[in-house]
Amino acid sequence: DAEITQSPRHKITETGRQVTLACHQTWNHNNMFWYRQDLGHGLRLIHYSYGVQDTNKGEVSDGYSVSRSNTEDLPLTLESAASSQTSVYFCASSDRLAGTDTQYFGPGTRLTVL
Amino acid sequence: AQTVTQSQPEMSVQEAETVTLSCTYDTSESDYYLFWYKQPPSRQMILVIRQEAYKQQNATENRFSVNFQKAAKSFSLKISDSQLGDAAMYFCAYRSYNTDKLIFGTGTRLQVFP
Repeated sequence: DAEITQSPRHKITETGRQVTLACHQTWNHNNMFWYRQDLGHGLRLIHYSYGVQDTNKGEVSDGYSVSRSNTEDLPLTLESAASSQTSVYFCASSDRLAGTDTQYFGPGTRLTVL
Repeated sequence: AQTVTQSQPEMSVQEAETVTLSCTYDTSESDYYLFWYKQPPSRQMILVIRQEAYKQQNATENRFSVNFQKAAKSFSLKISDSQLGDAAMYFCAYRSYNTDKLIFGTGTRLQVFP
């Protein structure tokens, strides 16, 4: 069955370190998204991609970057982790133009920045 | 810019009873989609129901139904015959017609009592 996976599921890091969260989907979807979930804010869009080599900033992109070198993967990098980036991160994929307009979510990564 | 508001941070219901979760949104667009996602303690985001704005008929999925009032920009979720497994965070989300990005509300935590 097609799925979307995230790794690691839990990560503890220190302020100032570079961190990369992995997202891998086997749906063959063109669109991939990264959200962060914080109490009182719901899910907020960080970055998204509509295809290979395409990346776009979302609502809360400062301090984050993504790259899309293939269809399956969209890694999220925190260049210099800050305590304000402690959150739960979700990756999602969809492909409206292929008739799949529902976003499918990964299981989430809980990141703690000390 | 579009916004989604969930004004009930927490709700509770007794098993077998009916509960309605509220969602309002703001948009100047005429074509769009609305979604309800469920997030149980496992953190997995699960699509509950979706509604196309151009459809007058309210969507229904088994015990879950929506009351979509386009003029009032209201999209409430009704859960009938509530079950213990319905206990979760519920998020309302908006998507413009020609994009795949989702805009989420802040969520409503539903407790179900036996």
